Amino acid sequence: GAVVSQHPSRVICKSGTSVKIECRSLDFQATTMFWYRQFPKQSLMLMATSNEGSKATYEQGVEKDKFLINHASLTLSTLTVTSAHPEDSSFYICSARRDGAYEQYFGPGTRLTVT
Amino acid sequence: GQNIDQPTEMTATEGAIVQINCTYQTSGFNGLFWYQQHAGEAPTFLSYNVLDGLEEKGRFSSFLSRSKGYSYLLLKELQMKDSASYLCAVRDWSNDYKLSFGAGTTVTVRA
Repeated sequence: GAVVSQHPSRVICKSGTSVKIECRSLDFQATTMFWYRQFPKQSLMLMATSNEGSKATYEQGVEKDKFLINHASLTLSTLTVTSAHPEDSSFYICSARRDGAYEQYFGPGTRLTVT
Repeated sequence: GQNIDQPTEMTATEGAIVQINCTYQTSGFNGLFWYQQHAGEAPTFLSYNVLDGLEEKGRFSSFLSRSKGYSYLLLKELQMKDSASYLCAVRDWSNDYKLSFGAGTTVTVRA
């Protein structure tokens, strides 16, 4: 199978601090990783697309200086929420896709709470 | 852009059948996915349709009509564990093959 992990699964941080979330593809190489955000009772909203070795592509309305994405290897992408605020509290989910494949494999998600 | 519509909630009895409809509008259709998501968890892949017709996978089946911009997910022999949110997602080649998700349909299975 194709397994994607995320770390941490839950994080609580104070307003103004930064939080880093890791997304790893455990048994395959992911040329593309996606970062989504999901608010309660809402659907997944794509934040950015991350390609290994190049800059991430952000969706309209997503601040790239606030949500820093790094895809340094074929198995790891990181999302850093900088200067977090309570409105950034959400469920952040990554997914990974093999080169040429259609299916995205989702990580288990990270619940971020900013106090 | 993509407009993806699906009902907000559905309730059914254990052992019954439920059909979740999804309609979409997209510029460059390149496949439709169904995912299951339990509360607080990430989505898990259920099915993929790119050609018209029915795809059957155990208790779950998914149908696609590209000309109508319509799909449905059929859940048979419902079990309590099937209580979850079901997300319809469309891939669009004119949008760099990204997935756009519907808001999800919450299915509640009652004993």
